[in-house]
Amino acid sequence: DIQMTQSPSSLSASVGDRVTITCRASQSISTYLNWYQQKPGKAPKLLIYGASSLQSGVPARFSGSGSGTDFTLTINSLQPEDFATYYCLQSFSSPPITFGQGTRLDIK
Amino acid sequence: QVHLQESGPGLVKPSETLSLNCIVSGYSISSGNFWGWIRQPPGKGLEWIGSIYHSGSTYYKSSLESRVTISLDTPKNQFSLKLTSVTAADTAVYYCARIPSGGPDYWGQGTLVTVSS
Repeated sequence: DIQMTQSPSSLSASVGDRVTITCRASQSISTYLNWYQQKPGKAPKLLIYGASSLQSGVPARFSGSGSGTDFTLTINSLQPEDFATYYCLQSFSSPPITFGQGTRLDIK
Repeated sequence: QVHLQESGPGLVKPSETLSLNCIVSGYSISSGNFWGWIRQPPGKGLEWIGSIYHSGSTYYKSSLESRVTISLDTPKNQFSLKLTSVTAADTAVYYCARIPSGGPDYWGQGTLVTVSS
């Protein structure tokens, strides 16, 4: 199975900061990469699909890039509601699909 | 708008079978797409369990394959999960989701299943 490795596993940032989360696949997955946001007690929410396409209704401060094995999620000008856990997911081999281990974003 | 809702017992005894249903509204499951189950142990990450295509073809995570069955009930527009011989390690929030080729897009709210005697 394709393994997904996210980094960092956690980070602290302040409102207004720009943050970047990375995800690396164990083999090339083209752009079959999604990013999800999860808040406590809630289901994950799709933010980015196809590595760089913004899901409808998601603020433009979220952006994604990358292809092959290396991907990034960038959040510009962090807002209070952005503090959550973020997961990448590969669907190149779907099924199966595999998630990264998650990145917890906390308020500094 | 596609809506999914899980239902089933919140407590299962060790060695017994976990059974969950997912009712779908706003979309006919026989129209297309994969439908699947994803779980999340308390405080941990997300794990894909398996998927079923609208035709009935099934795909399961290799480490769970011997214990998992996912099936469709197209007249009721729902699908189900059965996981046999459960242990405490199967305690998790279980999500059902629509899983098109690009990955899950619509999710249920999740249901906590605790394995305990």
